[in-house]
Amino acid sequence: DAGVIQSPRHEVTEMGQEVTLRCKPISGHDYLFWYRQTMMRGLELLIYFNNNVPIDDSGMPEDRFSAKMPNASFSTLKIQPSEPRDSAVYFCASSPWGLSTDTQYFGPGTRLTVL
Amino acid sequence: TQLLEQSPQFLSIQEGENLTVYCNSSSVFSSLQWYRQEPGEGPVLLVTVVTGGEVKKLKRLTFQFGDARKDSSLHITAAQPGDTGLYLCAGGGGSQGNLIFGKGTKLSVKP
Repeated sequence: DAGVIQSPRHEVTEMGQEVTLRCKPISGHDYLFWYRQTMMRGLELLIYFNNNVPIDDSGMPEDRFSAKMPNASFSTLKIQPSEPRDSAVYFCASSPWGLSTDTQYFGPGTRLTVL
Repeated sequence: TQLLEQSPQFLSIQEGENLTVYCNSSSVFSSLQWYRQEPGEGPVLLVTVVTGGEVKKLKRLTFQFGDARKDSSLHITAAQPGDTGLYLCAGGGGSQGNLIFGKGTKLSVKP
């Protein structure tokens, strides 16, 4: 299996621009998670989906952030407009059944820099 | 709000030394996981513990879940440079499987 795939691996953009991050989960996994990692705040859960339906988006920092999962094999996280404080590494992870004992399989992350 | 505090935040040791890192909370968790993250990669699961007092061993790594399921420790015996990385603990308790992550312990093992 190819594992969780994220693109792009690196993104550098200017303040005010729209940014779209992409994720392909492991086939057959029902749960998909989006995280943000910074030195100050660690790994924070932004939103997660079950069978393509958003379950909890309470971690999404502002209305500038939105996430979609149009089908079982693709999800996007969009930031519009982007700000320098959005600079972080964004991870996508998937798990089979959504149990707290499940392994969460993480992608390699997208390093976002907003100038 | 459930929080997990990890200590120490940074640890730099020589190859062959032993070390212990800690993960503490005032909340009870139904399960606790440890992940290791290497630079430029996502976290990878090392172990899951679910029972208070449970001890699991993975080669030179020993994981323990506290009796009250509020804390956990990771002990590494005879550390090697390959153990270098960020060690994250994550607590589970929500019905939907979302995890609460600590900020991690960044371990550097020098040859």
